[in-house]
Parts: sequence; structure tokens; C-alpha cells
Amino acid sequence: DIVMTQTPLSLSVTPGQPASISCKSSQSLLHSDGRTYLYWYLQKPGQSPQLLIYEVSNRFSGVPDRFSGSGSGTDFTLKISRVEAEDVGVYYCMQCIQLPYSFGQGTKLEIK
Amino acid sequence: QVTLKESGPALVKPTQTLTLTCTFSGFSLSTSGMRVSWIRQPPGKALEWLARIDWDDDKFYSTSLKTRLTISKDTSKNQVVLTMTNMDPVDTATYYCARFNSGTDTLSPWGQGTLVTVSS
Repeated sequence: DIVMTQTPLSLSVTPGQPASISCKSSQSLLHSDGRTYLYWYLQKPGQSPQLLIYEVSNRFSGVPDRFSGSGSGTDFTLKISRVEAEDVGVYYCMQCIQLPYSFGQGTKLEIK
Repeated sequence: QVTLKESGPALVKPTQTLTLTCTFSGFSLSTSGMRVSWIRQPPGKALEWLARIDWDDDKFYSTSLKTRLTISKDTSKNQVVLTMTNMDPVDTATYYCARFNSGTDTLSPWGQGTLVTVSS
């Protein structure tokens, strides 16, 4: 099974400042079809997870452009250019290249 | 509009079998490419993918739980059922179902989740 490792597990950010979350996979997420099967989800307090980014860098409908994803192979990053209060929650990366699918441990974002 | 909602017992005893139902609307699991997954989250812990069922009745399971899990569908009722045998207190979690979108391979949307507590 593919293991997803996120760092840091928590971060506290001042509003307006940037934030960055790393996600590393135990195997390459680049498929022979040319797609990279790495996704980011956000679980806001008391809510179900919601899709943020698919295939490394594609923002889902309605996701603000302050969110961006990058990376390749086994190393990926989610960046928030200017953190806002509504961004608090736990961020998860997930791989869908191979069954069973797997999530990272989650990164909790708090506002200072 | 696509919606999903989980239902099932809030409390089960150790060794019992858990049966959860995901009732959805806005799509049909008889349509080519449609898929539904189950995911769970113990209190204060990370998400764990459990299982997936496809429109053609293909089924896939978590490696660590596959001997205990069964996923099935009732297309006439727009429902997906997950059963988990031999429940243990460590299985206490919020259980979510979500549509798995072919093409983008994304889980969206998710249901609201249902909390299951395993205790005698």
C-alpha cells in the first residue's frame, strides 16, 4: 500500500501570511497515462471533507486562487498565498493512483 | 444537485456486525463510470479509505480491513451498503460516503457522516 506522509502536522499562521504543507508518497504518483493522482482535501471544523485540488494543481470549482498545488513524482506541496480566517481546518493529501487509496495524516491549520 | 447521506446505528457492541447505508441523489449507480466510496475518521484522527463500489459492481477494499468489509449496492433505491463484521472499540469513528468521480478521480461531494461508537 502507498503511504502518504504530511509535514508539518500543525501550523499556526497570521492572517495575510503564506502557508505551505508538504506531502510525500512512498511511491510515484505519476501514472503511465501521464496523470499524477495526488489530491488535496480540507476538513473545516465540524464539517465533512471537501475537495480543494485534484491532480496536483487543479483547483476544484469555487476554490479561491490563493490555494495552489505543485509537485511531481513523490513530493507535493499545497500553498496558501495569504491565509484567511476561513482557511482553518485540517488539510489532507490523498493518492488515487493505486488501490487501496490512502490519505496523509492531516495538517491542522490554525490562525494566530 | 448531488447529495449523499449516511445512516445506521449510533452504538454497536463489540463483536457485532455494523451495517451502514449511504442514500444518494443526483446520480445513478447504474450509469457507466459512477462509483461510491466509504471513508472513516476516528475521533481526532485522520481519514481512512475503506471501500469502493462501481457501476459495474466491481468492489475494492482496504487491505487491513478487507476480511471484515462488504460493500454492496441497490440501484433501485439509490443506496450503497457497507457492512463491517466483528466490531471493536477501535472502530469507533465517523463513517462517510462520497461519490467518486471518474475522469478526475475525486471524492466529491461527501455525505455529512455518521458517528458510530463501539462499546459494551
